[in-house]
Amino acid sequence: KNQVEQSPQSLIILEGKNCTLQCNYTVSPFSNLRWYKQDTGRGPVSLTIMTFSENTKSNGRYTATLDADTKQSSLHITASQLSDSASYICVVSSGGSYIPTFGRGTSLIVHP
Amino acid sequence: GAGVSQSPRYKVAKRGQDVALRCDPISGHVSLFWYQQALGQGPEFLTYFQNEAQLDKSGLPSDRFFAERPEGSVSTLKIQRTQQEDSAVYLCASSLVLAVSYQETQYFGPGTRLLVL
Repeated sequence: KNQVEQSPQSLIILEGKNCTLQCNYTVSPFSNLRWYKQDTGRGPVSLTIMTFSENTKSNGRYTATLDADTKQSSLHITASQLSDSASYICVVSSGGSYIPTFGRGTSLIVHP
Repeated sequence: GAGVSQSPRYKVAKRGQDVALRCDPISGHVSLFWYQQALGQGPEFLTYFQNEAQLDKSGLPSDRFFAERPEGSVSTLKIQRTQQEDSAVYLCASSLVLAVSYQETQYFGPGTRLLVL
């Protein structure tokens, strides 16, 4: 069964600090991996998307990495801001399937 | 508008009541997905449309759930005889073409938060 596991479940950091969120998956065959940001009361918004051949993808202060061999991805947030407080969801798509597998998300709280 | 819209944003229903949730996808988007998101969980797939065709409804939890997209644009998710376990956020997402390809990203609406009492 395709699964996406995220850690930590929740994280609290001070404004200005960096943090890294983890995503492990067992989806096969692998097509692509996306990181989404979901603000409270809103739908998820795509941050990055990576295919098998891509190791790193940046979007402003967000940098995602992918190790397709170990089936792990991380999302690094640099110089966190209060507006980064949200849930970050890792989503993996399988080749030939239009149904992506979602992780449960990591809830990030940035304190001033 | 430029994004996916959903209505109502909030719905409180008495157990046994029927509800209808509406999704307006981005104009021209072929693919439309419905997801159910329980509190503190990631979205769970319910059903998928390509234009007006419902290609997959394997995620619908029971025959009380019904979705349609008759003209290939607006979609409605209907839940009959609501139960307390139906309480969740129902998200709609659309993409330009089939979402499995690399180039495609699903654009999500804000969701409808359903509370069944």
